[in-house]
Amino acid sequence: QQQVKQSPQSLIVQKGGISIINCAYENTAFDYFPWYQQFPGKGPALLIAIRPDVSEKKEGRFTISFNKSAKQFSLHIMDSQPGDSATYFCAAFTGNQFYFGTGTSLTVIP
Amino acid sequence: DTGVSQDPRHKITKRGQNVTFRCDPISEHNRLYWYRQTLGQGPEFLTYFQNEAQLEKSRLLSDRFSAERPKGSFSTLEIQRTEQGDSAMYLCASGMGGRGQPQHFGDGTRLSIL
Repeated sequence: QQQVKQSPQSLIVQKGGISIINCAYENTAFDYFPWYQQFPGKGPALLIAIRPDVSEKKEGRFTISFNKSAKQFSLHIMDSQPGDSATYFCAAFTGNQFYFGTGTSLTVIP
Repeated sequence: DTGVSQDPRHKITKRGQNVTFRCDPISEHNRLYWYRQTLGQGPEFLTYFQNEAQLEKSRLLSDRFSAERPKGSFSTLEIQRTEQGDSAMYLCASGMGGRGQPQHFGDGTRLSIL
């Protein structure tokens, strides 16, 4: 059973556009929600993270929006660049474990 | 570079052989996690250590898998009698543990079973 559901599976965006990736969860015990970026042949790299007492967090071009009542959170990449082309994973943490979404392959077209 | 280090980066072996992977975490991190990642999927939790104690194991971790973290520093993951289905990327991550603490990944060991 997938604890964190991520969509879309793949995304193509023009350079300068906004990329939006969504995740949903059911377990209300989750208390920390990071996003990771992964390039081929590399491990996931922490991009940005949020706690459920905050509705939005922004770091540079990356923003997490968090809707606690809907149990959903999303990653927005503003002014998307070709260098952002990678796979993005959302995750959720409770107790001792992180649970990951299935990933979104983002391609930014020049 | 003081990030998480994994060795080897790639391991090719024949079915039935034993393999061992090593992970060196960020030095001040007391938690160490092992994950498995297959193509098109997110990392799947295998096990984690708090210092030298192995505190939790996933049901994915069959009895052919064993992990150790002697002295709470580096960790090893051994797979005995490898099977085709073991082919995957094995990722190690470390962190401080506790609520809201991020974990940082190494670049993984890609295991290919012939």
